[in-house]
Amino acid sequence: EPEVTQTPSHQVTQMGQEVILRCVPISNHLYFYWYRQILGQKVEFLVSFYNNEISEKSEIFDDQFSVERPDGSNFTLKIRSTKLEDSAMYFCASSGTGNNSPLHFGNGTRLTVT
Amino acid sequence: AQRVTQPEKLLSVFKGAPVELKCNYSYSGSPELFWYVQYSRQRLQLLLRHISRESIKGFTADLNKGETSFHLKKPFAQEEDSAMYYCALKGGGSYIPTFGRGTSLIVHP
Repeated sequence: EPEVTQTPSHQVTQMGQEVILRCVPISNHLYFYWYRQILGQKVEFLVSFYNNEISEKSEIFDDQFSVERPDGSNFTLKIRSTKLEDSAMYFCASSGTGNNSPLHFGNGTRLTVT
Repeated sequence: AQRVTQPEKLLSVFKGAPVELKCNYSYSGSPELFWYVQYSRQRLQLLLRHISRESIKGFTADLNKGETSFHLKKPFAQEEDSAMYYCALKGGGSYIPTFGRGTSLIVHP
């Protein structure tokens, strides 16, 4: 069964540095998402991406965040200048068309900002 | 605004006991509701959705619009059911689910 893959599984970075989290969605999916989960808290929506542009974003997704689909397979989340509070699990997900299409999640990238 | 509440952070039961993981939602229209599960060291995955009215791994969930609830139930818990369970809601024209904070289910032998 096809899966969403995320790399790296764990990223440690210093405050103020830029990080890029990478995701390969399922190949025939059209909608892509980033969620994050701060330790002990709920899974929070960051951004969705469709047809090569952001379709929705949350308040969390401020100017320090950006997403890109640089080629036909990768979907990246860039955090420009990381802060301590960006430490979290970041989940990529993709889904097909239709309202009932469930999200397929990757295993997540644990980002630790020191 | 849509909101999902899972009041229990942790639910601990013994094998063979009934399980009910609570989910309440706040949404003015007709929601679509889902349960996702995350087993230890595995990815979040869809368990079931209300529209399918299915039973997966012995779990069922009924949408109760009067009580705005979508509780997940299983009559006899198994050790392999131990996991984090997330209730999620999609409402209106948005295809983006809102997740609850999750309930950790621990089933003791």
